[in-house]
Amino acid sequence: GAGVSQSPSNKVTEKGKDVELRCDPISGHTALYWYRQSLGQGLEFLIYFQGNSAPDKSGLPSDRFSAERTGGSVSTLTIQRTQQEDSAVYLCASSLTGGWSTGELFFGEGSRLTVL
Amino acid sequence: GENVEQHPSTLSVQEGDSAVIKCTYSDSASNYFPWYKQELGKRPQLIIDIRSNVGEKKDQRIAVTLNKTAKHFSLHITETQPEDSAVYFCAASIRTGNQFYFGTGTSLTVIP
Repeated sequence: GAGVSQSPSNKVTEKGKDVELRCDPISGHTALYWYRQSLGQGLEFLIYFQGNSAPDKSGLPSDRFSAERTGGSVSTLTIQRTQQEDSAVYLCASSLTGGWSTGELFFGEGSRLTVL
Repeated sequence: GENVEQHPSTLSVQEGDSAVIKCTYSDSASNYFPWYKQELGKRPQLIIDIRSNVGEKKDQRIAVTLNKTAKHFSLHITETQPEDSAVYFCAASIRTGNQFYFGTGTSLTVIP
């Protein structure tokens, strides 16, 4: 596609349920990032994938959060046993290269998660 | 790890005036400093960036300055227009790291 695609755009779930958020990056982009944006807050780093390297999971807030990237393309962020504080917009971004020489991050439009 | 602080959190200016947003970073190894603009309900988009080997970069009405010694960089918007109203995020990227560390954002309102 022309840009980073995320689904669902909106998700309402009950506390304790599991959710999966999907990100389809720009074709050919080797780096993929997940960020969380709570209401009125900045961009909180969650996890980073670069090619076939082990992901940088240092930003995941708890073991309820996990992510995978299959075939170096599509990524899924899974939140288990959701809590109300998980409510936020989850943004995915991709870029052509990783490391310090990374250029522009291309963001998706985000998945808005509401936990009741 | 890197810590990026951004000020102010909100900024209102009259149309035609200038706006300045400032960021500081903690890790002297940071080498790349992009600025992203996020309009209401939309995705963040890169508007300008600067690398550590230059002190200033301009693109029409926007400019970014970098002071490596003081570890701070700033975004300058001149002749502001209503369409400049948005949330602006600064970020820093460390040479050997993979993360982009973002500031907490500045909500800019340009009053017509």
